[in-house]
Amino acid sequence: NAGVMQNPRHLVRRRGQEARLRCSPVKGHSHVYWYRQLPEEGLKFMVYLQKENIIDESGMPKERFSAEFPKEGPSILRIQQVVRGDSAAYFCASSLWGNNEQFFGPGTRLTVL
Amino acid sequence: LAKTTQPISMDSYEGQEVNITCSHNNIATNDYITWYQQFPSQGPRFIIQGYKTKVTNEVASLFIPADRKSSTLSLPRVSLSDTAVYYCLVGASGAGNNRKLIWGLGTSLAVNP
Repeated sequence: NAGVMQNPRHLVRRRGQEARLRCSPVKGHSHVYWYRQLPEEGLKFMVYLQKENIIDESGMPKERFSAEFPKEGPSILRIQQVVRGDSAAYFCASSLWGNNEQFFGPGTRLTVL
Repeated sequence: LAKTTQPISMDSYEGQEVNITCSHNNIATNDYITWYQQFPSQGPRFIIQGYKTKVTNEVASLFIPADRKSSTLSLPRVSLSDTAVYYCLVGASGAGNNRKLIWGLGTSLAVNP
């Protein structure tokens, strides 16, 4: 069974560009979570989605960030007009249902120049 | 929201048993306790989950006293490969409740030869 897949693993963007991070959950999982981790810090919850629905986006910055989990295809975390402070590791996790066991992907490391 | 408190770091030696204690004084009745492990540049990995008393699996044991205000993750006979950050989380099991999980800084365990 394939685990959570994220791509790209590394992404470099210049200030003002857009970043698109993709996450394919474990097959059969319909719950997806996005987290951000800054160096030497713990994970910070960003958003929780089920298929075609955003359940909780209380951790998402109000501007420039958006997420979706369409009926078909991967979940996408989109960051518009990136700034240096967006540089971080972004982890996606999925679960079979809304319980505590989340399966994490390898992360996407975003570097904003 | 339940909040957890863990030691920032711990040191151990190969072959020793390591116990990491987590405090969660405000744990709610329907909250479970979950521990994750994270290696550098990787996503967290589920280790163990429990509600009360003792839970054991192939990698660890989880001890939870009757008042559930703390829990202890026990790693038997650690090896160098157990060097990682260990996170303790509390949250309710069930659909839609994962968004209430708060990730702290975790405990950075260093296993020495």
